[in-house]
Amino acid sequence: DGGITQSPKYLFRKEGQNVTLSCEQNLNHDAMYWYRQDPGQGLRLIYYSQIVNDFQKGDIAEGYSVSREKKESFPLTVTSAQKNPTAFYLCASSPRGVSYEQYFGPGTRLTVT
Amino acid sequence: AQTVTQSQPEMSVQEAETVTLSCTYDTSESNYYLFWYKQPPSRQMILVIRQEAYKQQNATENRFSVNFQKAAKSFSLKISDSQLGDTAMYFCAFADRDDKIIFGKGTRLHILP
Repeated sequence: DGGITQSPKYLFRKEGQNVTLSCEQNLNHDAMYWYRQDPGQGLRLIYYSQIVNDFQKGDIAEGYSVSREKKESFPLTVTSAQKNPTAFYLCASSPRGVSYEQYFGPGTRLTVT
Repeated sequence: AQTVTQSQPEMSVQEAETVTLSCTYDTSESNYYLFWYKQPPSRQMILVIRQEAYKQQNATENRFSVNFQKAAKSFSLKISDSQLGDTAMYFCAFADRDDKIIFGKGTRLHILP
């Protein structure tokens, strides 16, 4: 069954701790994306990767880091430098090229207290 | 920079009625792609419909259709015979040369029984 998985669904952390959100896809897609969703803000792009071992900053990359060592995996680390990390995080993938739709994972709700 | 504007933060309609969600965008490109995504209460993002800018014919998917006005940079979504399952956030999105999609802030649609 092809798709995108994100784990865990809910994540709780203390302020000052780094936390890594998992995103895995078995769709053989080249491109992967991380979005942050806040109420009233829509989806804002954090990082994206078009090929393995390469990634670009999106609109709100500060306080986040990513890696793309394997085609199937694109983990996102929320560092302690991110001033307001509590949010809903969505991972997506697509074949390379803007004409293609993006396929989304179920999301991870991160709460930092 | 490209922008996507959804001017209706929230709408409510009765079941079986027709509803139109508005979207405008700004770009200097001539070739691009437009999308409507749906996010139900489960928060799983689902593609509703896609339009290629070079195609004059409006895209249709069952009860969902778009009114694409390229000169006006308008891309509205019409939902006919609305159903309770159509209750969701709807996001308009735009993509051009880069491998990334820009999303509007969304319209929350309530279908009332």
